Amino acid sequence: DIQMTQSPSSLSASVGDRVTITCRASQSISNFLHWYQQRPGKAPKLLISAASSLQSGVPSRFSGSGSGTYFTLTIISLQPEDFATYYCQQSYGSVYTFGQGTKLEIK
Amino acid sequence: QLQLQESGPGLVKPSETLSLTCTVSGGSISSSSSYWGWIRQSPGKGLEWIGSIYYAGATYYNPALKSRVTISVDTSQSQFSLKVSSVTAADTAVYYCARIPHDYSIGMDVWGQGTTVTVSS
Repeated sequence: DIQMTQSPSSLSASVGDRVTITCRASQSISNFLHWYQQRPGKAPKLLISAASSLQSGVPSRFSGSGSGTYFTLTIISLQPEDFATYYCQQSYGSVYTFGQGTKLEIK
Repeated sequence: QLQLQESGPGLVKPSETLSLTCTVSGGSISSSSSYWGWIRQSPGKGLEWIGSIYYAGATYYNPALKSRVTISVDTSQSQFSLKVSSVTAADTAVYYCARIPHDYSIGMDVWGQGTTVTVSS
């Protein structure tokens, strides 16, 4: 299976800050990489598909980049509702796998 | 808009079979552009894809669970189902159903709210 490794595991930031979360794949996955946001007690919500394609309705302060084995999710001008856990997920291999998550907390 | 809703027992005894159903509404389960999947989330293992099914019946399973998992679809009821046999405490998790687009470049774009299943005697 393709292993997905996110860093950092947790991150403290303030409203208005810019943050970047990274996701590394154990092998090249082209751009078959997706990002999700999960708030406590809720299901994951798809934010970005294909490494950089923003889902409809997702604020433009979210952006994604990368290809191959290295990917990033950047959030500019953090808003209170952005404090949540973020996951990456690959759909390149026959077994879909997720990163372990990055918890974004308010400083 | 498309909505998914999980249902099933919240408590299952060890060694028994966990059974869950996902009801699809606001769209067609027979859409050629969709697979239907099950994902679970436990504190110990994070998010884990269990398997997926196409409306015509083709199934795809995570090899780590394949020997114990069966996913089926009932298009007449707009439902698909998950069975996990011989459960242990390690199968305790929140179970989600989700739409997985046939286009692999799109992530899992519609999720159910999730249902908590506890394995305990």
